[in-house]
Amino acid sequence: QVSLTESGGGVVQPGRSLRLSCAPFGFSFRTYDMHWVRQVPGKGLEWMASIWRDGNTKYYAASARGRFIILRDNSKSSLYLQMNSLTAGDTAVYYCARQGGDTGAFDLWGQGTLVTVSS
Amino acid sequence: EIVLTQSPGTLSLSPGERATLSCRASQTISSIYLAWYQHKPGQAPRLLIYGASTRATGIPDRFSGSGSETDFILTITRLEPEDFAVYYCQHYGSSPTWTFGQGTKVEI
Repeated sequence: QVSLTESGGGVVQPGRSLRLSCAPFGFSFRTYDMHWVRQVPGKGLEWMASIWRDGNTKYYAASARGRFIILRDNSKSSLYLQMNSLTAGDTAVYYCARQGGDTGAFDLWGQGTLVTVSS
Repeated sequence: EIVLTQSPGTLSLSPGERATLSCRASQTISSIYLAWYQHKPGQAPRLLIYGASTRATGIPDRFSGSGSETDFILTITRLEPEDFAVYYCQHYGSSPTWTFGQGTKVEI
């Protein structure tokens, strides 16, 4: 059974930082490109960041660029999202997702972790 | 930047009925890079269709995708109780970027 599990969410004050983690299970993490997607309460899915399997190539949505950093450690089979200068607008459920192939589709998702930015 | 517009926003149907969901792109896109997802509250999103028409592993054949260029359709031929959810289309574009439509809620 393959799965992804996010952790690290919680309540954080505006302007502070938070690091999310994503742990894979049941597949060879190092052979997949990975992503972070979020869902603001009451809104739809929003792609935030991607990292290629080698860890050297990264892409960001405009809303993440300059504040968020996507990282991975293939030796530890872990994916991370470092979020800095958080605002209330970053309050959302954050999902990690696996890209299944060259079509760009995300074939495996985690259950998500809730980040609440509030004073 | 490509924008995906899904319609209708909400689809009210009964079990056993047919659901037709639309996803329109703001410009012509390759159907290879068009996917559909199902999302239920509190659960992980699930890939249904990729390449516009290929069912993902384990997806029942009552789900089908079609379309090309700017207009794509997700059809659920006979709604089961577990199919009531929000459905998103997604495009993988150049740059690269990944864009989602705003979603269609299928409700009873």
